[in-house]
Amino acid sequence: EAGVAQSPRYKIIEKRQSVAFWCNPISGHATLYWYQQILGQGPKLLIQFQNNGVVDDSQLPKDRFSAERLKGVDSTLKIQPAKLEDSAVYLCASSLLGTGGYGYTFGSGTRLTVV
Amino acid sequence: QQQVKQSPQSLIVQKGGIPIINCAYENTAFDYFPWYQQFPGKGPALLIAIRPDVSEKKEGRFTISFNKSAKQFSLHIMDSQPGDSATYFCAARQGGSEKLVFGKGTKLTVNP
Repeated sequence: EAGVAQSPRYKIIEKRQSVAFWCNPISGHATLYWYQQILGQGPKLLIQFQNNGVVDDSQLPKDRFSAERLKGVDSTLKIQPAKLEDSAVYLCASSLLGTGGYGYTFGSGTRLTVV
Repeated sequence: QQQVKQSPQSLIVQKGGIPIINCAYENTAFDYFPWYQQFPGKGPALLIAIRPDVSEKKEGRFTISFNKSAKQFSLHIMDSQPGDSATYFCAARQGGSEKLVFGKGTKLTVNP
């Protein structure tokens, strides 16, 4: 079974620039999550999709972050404009619908550095 | 607000030792407690998980102990190996959702 694919692996941008991350979940996984992992901390949920609908985006800074999941498969997360404090690893995860988090599979993440 | 408090921040043991990582929570609505293992450059991977109606769960060399009344749970790694060197995260799931709240992580180093 192929894992969760993310790209790019690394990105360095200047503050106030924009950036986008891409995620391809495991085939058949209806639920997709974006987590932000700041160095030295645990992952923090940014947004959760079920198919192509948003379930939870309560911790997404909506003034600068946006995410979409077209056709219920791939997803993109965008930051515009980026701030220094956005430097982090952005993790995508997916799970089968209704598994209650049991089947979370994370991708390797995109490491973003904002300078 | 940190909903899951994890300690210690880092831990160094010798091969064969039994590192213990502790977590505590306040929210009684949490109903599922997984532990994740993360190697550098990789995403977290599910290691072992427990429900609050069970006091202990063992899978191979990994054991979770759960104390519901104290709202604490811990991970024990028996006969630790250098390959266990990684960062370990405890997490908790809000009942009725699939959202996980993570602790800050413990960096474990197992020396040969």
